[in-house]
Amino acid sequence: DQQVKQNSPSLSVQEGRISILNCDYTNSMFDYFLWYKKYPAEGPTFLISISSIKDKNEDGRFTVFLNKSAKHLSLHIVPSQPGDSAVYFCAASARTSYDKVIFGPGTSLSVIP
Amino acid sequence: DAGVIQSPRHEVTEMGQEVTLRCKPISGHNSLFWYRQTMMRGLELLIYFNNNVPIDDSGMPEDRFSAKMPNASFSTLKIQPSEPRDSAVYFCASSLLIEEETQYFGPGTRLLVL
Repeated sequence: DQQVKQNSPSLSVQEGRISILNCDYTNSMFDYFLWYKKYPAEGPTFLISISSIKDKNEDGRFTVFLNKSAKHLSLHIVPSQPGDSAVYFCAASARTSYDKVIFGPGTSLSVIP
Repeated sequence: DAGVIQSPRHEVTEMGQEVTLRCKPISGHNSLFWYRQTMMRGLELLIYFNNNVPIDDSGMPEDRFSAKMPNASFSTLKIQPSEPRDSAVYFCASSLLIEEETQYFGPGTRLLVL
């Protein structure tokens, strides 16, 4: 029973266009969300996060949007670059209960030059 | 600064053999996590430690899996006996505090059990 879902296993986007990666969660106790990026043969690295008190957080080309009522978040990458090609993991935690971070299955993004 | 160090990077073994994976967390980090990544299940949390004490091992798939953290700078994940379905990439991660969601991952150990 996956609490964090990424229903698109893969996504291809043209260089310069917007990449939108989606994530859905089921646990209403989750109040903190993160995105990690993973290149082949490397461990995941932290990319960006958002607290449930916000609905948007921006860091350069990366923006995360949170829709609490829909239990949905998305990561936007604008403009997409070939170096963004990687697997992106959505993750969530319930800070108030100091519970563990739950990761989604990942979405593989390919940015085509 | 050295990140999380894992060894070996690759391991090929035969079914039934014992496998030991090793991890050195970032110095000063109090929490350590073991994950397994497979195509089918993505990134699964197996077990995590806080101040060298196991907090939650509910993700450990079977009794064949065990993990220890004898001190703040070293942890092992052991599989005995190994089976082909254990083939996966195993990641170790550490964080400064257990409530700190940002975890720093090692490069992983790619395990193949024949």
